[in-house]
Amino acid sequence: NAGVTQTPKFQVLKTGQSMTLQCAQDMNHNSMYWYRQDPGMGLRLIYYSASEGTTDKGEVPNGYNVSRLNKREFSLRLESAAPSQTSVYFCASRRSLGASDTQYFGPGTRLTVL
Amino acid sequence: RKEVEQDPGPFNVPEGATVAFNCTYSNSASQSFFWYRQDCRKEPKLLMSVYSSGNEDGRFTAQLNRASQYISLLIRDSKLSDSATYLCVVPRWKLSFGAGTTVTVRA
Repeated sequence: NAGVTQTPKFQVLKTGQSMTLQCAQDMNHNSMYWYRQDPGMGLRLIYYSASEGTTDKGEVPNGYNVSRLNKREFSLRLESAAPSQTSVYFCASRRSLGASDTQYFGPGTRLTVL
Repeated sequence: RKEVEQDPGPFNVPEGATVAFNCTYSNSASQSFFWYRQDCRKEPKLLMSVYSSGNEDGRFTAQLNRASQYISLLIRDSKLSDSATYLCVVPRWKLSFGAGTTVTVRA
């Protein structure tokens, strides 16, 4: 049981390049999330997917797109990377609302845009 | 007002000390709350949940004050391994994270 996995772990891009961050979970969770974390800013939600086939914008969606490929996989794409997108990106899946509400995070992708 | 606000610290305490810090939230309808722990920009991990007035797990105690809309986390008998950033989380359709409180326990 791997939990939430993310690839790559590290990435350096030049301004204007594109890339896709991959995320997969093997816990059969319906909800999946993409966050970015910058120093002193906490975790900010980029996009989320409440269930397979649905995606919605979070707090900071500009410059990103997502795809919920199936129940397991939720990818984040940067079409034209900018230095402001230098950050640590975390993918997460969520068990459910209510008493057993727990979010599990992947190990993160450290992205630098030059 | 932000949904979740935390004292960023840092709290620098000696081993064995007690340290406590608060988190305020804006949505009075929130019913449950969580504390997550994050080490050195690694992924956050659930530390404890708070559903009623409070919760205790070993050296960690979380308390909820609904009237004043804050939750607190108290760490007793601090260990070096408690050094981390503690994130306050308020769930709704999404989980709203505070920016975190940094705790450093020194030998």
